[in-house]
Amino acid sequence: GQQLNQSPQSMFIQEGEDVSMNCTSSSIFNTWLWYKQDPGEGPVLLIALYKAGELTSNGRLTAQFGITRKDSFLNISASIPSDVGIYFCQGGSEKLVFGKGTKLTVNP
Amino acid sequence: SQTIHQWPATLVQPVGSPLSLECTVEGTSNPNLYWYRQAAGRGLQLLFYSVGIGQISSEVPQNLSASRPQDRQFILSSKKLLLSDSGFYLCAWSVSLNQPQHFGDGTRLSIL
Repeated sequence: GQQLNQSPQSMFIQEGEDVSMNCTSSSIFNTWLWYKQDPGEGPVLLIALYKAGELTSNGRLTAQFGITRKDSFLNISASIPSDVGIYFCQGGSEKLVFGKGTKLTVNP
Repeated sequence: SQTIHQWPATLVQPVGSPLSLECTVEGTSNPNLYWYRQAAGRGLQLLFYSVGIGQISSEVPQNLSASRPQDRQFILSSKKLLLSDSGFYLCAWSVSLNQPQHFGDGTRLSIL
């Protein structure tokens, strides 16, 4: 079945720093999605990618659909305390699977 | 617009008791529905998904079951809860299996 590797598992950064996380798959995907989960809530969609090479921004967030169609990256610029949470990638073709998440902690 | 409701928000149950968690979606027809479980600070484990009324796919063998008695209603059940059933249960819907999922606010289940 489809498998996703998301890294890093956790990150501890200072406010103002940039953040980068990624997901890789063992097979070619048609869709890559990125979500954020605030503590005690359900995940919320941040960015959706449907085309190889696609680069999409949402405020300080930028995500890319890798050219090989086997990976995706999420960057957060100039982090702020409210960026804390768990970030999940999700990818697939006919069906989607989640990565295990990246837990982000931002120190003021 | 579409909305998803999950209840209760928190639940404390003794070991061996039954469970029923309900999820309903409004504003869309024939959604794909999902149940996930999340241990504290961990990833999302897909438990069940449904592409239509009465159609349930199980991803993980366990003492939980799911039912979809109506188009926009998804129920997670257990006859006898185990300590390992504790966790954060999330319901979600999507237009199709390869489209973004929209989550409810979750139910935090504690087993004593």
